[in-house]
Amino acid sequence: DGGITQSPKYLFRKEGQNVTLSCEQNLNHDAMYWYRQDPGQGLRLIYYSQIVNDFQKGDIAEGYSVSREKKESFPLTVTSAQKNPTAFYLCASSIYSGTGGLYEQYFGPGTRLTVT
Amino acid sequence: KQEVTQIPAALSVPEGENLVLNCSFTDSAIYNLQWFRQDPGKGLTSLLLIQSSQREQTSGRLNASLDKSSGRSTLYIAASQPGDSATYLCVVSGAGSYQLTFGKGTKLSVIP
Repeated sequence: DGGITQSPKYLFRKEGQNVTLSCEQNLNHDAMYWYRQDPGQGLRLIYYSQIVNDFQKGDIAEGYSVSREKKESFPLTVTSAQKNPTAFYLCASSIYSGTGGLYEQYFGPGTRLTVT
Repeated sequence: KQEVTQIPAALSVPEGENLVLNCSFTDSAIYNLQWFRQDPGKGLTSLLLIQSSQREQTSGRLNASLDKSSGRSTLYIAASQPGDSATYLCVVSGAGSYQLTFGKGTKLSVIP
């Protein structure tokens, strides 16, 4: 069964600690994304990666870091520099058509991070 | 910069009613438009994808239309059911872009 997995589903951390969210896909997609969702604000792009060993900042990259060492994996680290890390985090993947745009985007089930 | 607006923000209808959700976008240079459903605390589930060259797509009780020139899309849900209660998101893929633009969604409640 092809898809995107995110783990864990719920994550609790103390303020000041770094935490890494996992995202794995077996869809053979080149492009992967991390979004943050807050109530009433919609999805905001944190980072995206078009290809292995390359990634780009999105609209709200401050306090976050990513790596893309393998095509199927795109972990997100929430650092202690992130002022308000409590949120719902969604990972997604897609194929780029080359000359047109993104094909259908697929989302993982999300990780709810709570920092106290 | 592309902006996507969804109206209304929330909608409550009795079971069995047909309904329309609206989406508008400011830049007509799109590659495709996708409608998603999101249940509380869950990820996004793709419902329909319309390529920029298409006018509509249908899946079961759902029909999505696209008018690129006017910057509008609608999602029509026929014979609504309580299980249709969710937030519906309109998402635009820009031509030549790796990024998507999301609407804030319409929260639908179907009352039994």
